[in-house]
Amino acid sequence: GAGVSQSPSNKVTEKGKDVELRCDPISGHTALYWYRQRLGQGLEFLIYFQGNSAPDKSGLPSDRFSAERTGESVSTLTIQRTQQEDSAVYLCASSLGDLREQYFGPGTRLTVT
Amino acid sequence: QKEVEQNSGPLSVPEGAIASLNCTYSDRGSQSFFWYRQYSGKSPELIMSIYSNGDKEDGRFTAQLNKASQYVSLLIRDSQPSDSATYLCAAPYSSASKIIFGSGTRLSIRP
Repeated sequence: GAGVSQSPSNKVTEKGKDVELRCDPISGHTALYWYRQRLGQGLEFLIYFQGNSAPDKSGLPSDRFSAERTGESVSTLTIQRTQQEDSAVYLCASSLGDLREQYFGPGTRLTVT
Repeated sequence: QKEVEQNSGPLSVPEGAIASLNCTYSDRGSQSFFWYRQYSGKSPELIMSIYSNGDKEDGRFTAQLNKASQYVSLLIRDSQPSDSATYLCAAPYSSASKIIFGSGTRLSIRP
């Protein structure tokens, strides 16, 4: 079946612009996660959704970052006033529920110039 | 102590040998454990899940769990150059309702 999809696959933006990253989870997966991975680094947890609510936003690095999920499906991660340090691969993962196996999308590579 | 700890490597293993990857975790309440493989420039891919003490085998891969020692490992038999990747260990933390990933071990299989 279809896996997790993310769009765009690559995004180049100028410093100070806003960007929106999209994630389509596996159908039926109630949990959805966003991670950031800088070059050569590990996974950095950003936010977790169970259904449409976000019980854990502890990883969002600043108030420039926000995320929402609608219809227990698609999620968007928005970064306002992008900075060069936001450059990274943003990964989305979904799972059948809390603490279950997560399946990752291909990621969005964000470059802030 | 990190919640999920792995040796960053790189771990270099000759082709055909057994590669052994190790992971320790701090939450005694963790009940399930996952191994992911991440090729350079790609996203993590789930390769093994283990829930019970002991060994679980899947093809050339064996996951081993020892809850008393809070230790989980991944063995790769007959290592191939295509196994060269970063391997991530992950464990759920019930108190936080989320899965914590280790920083990964970089494995290199030399021909």
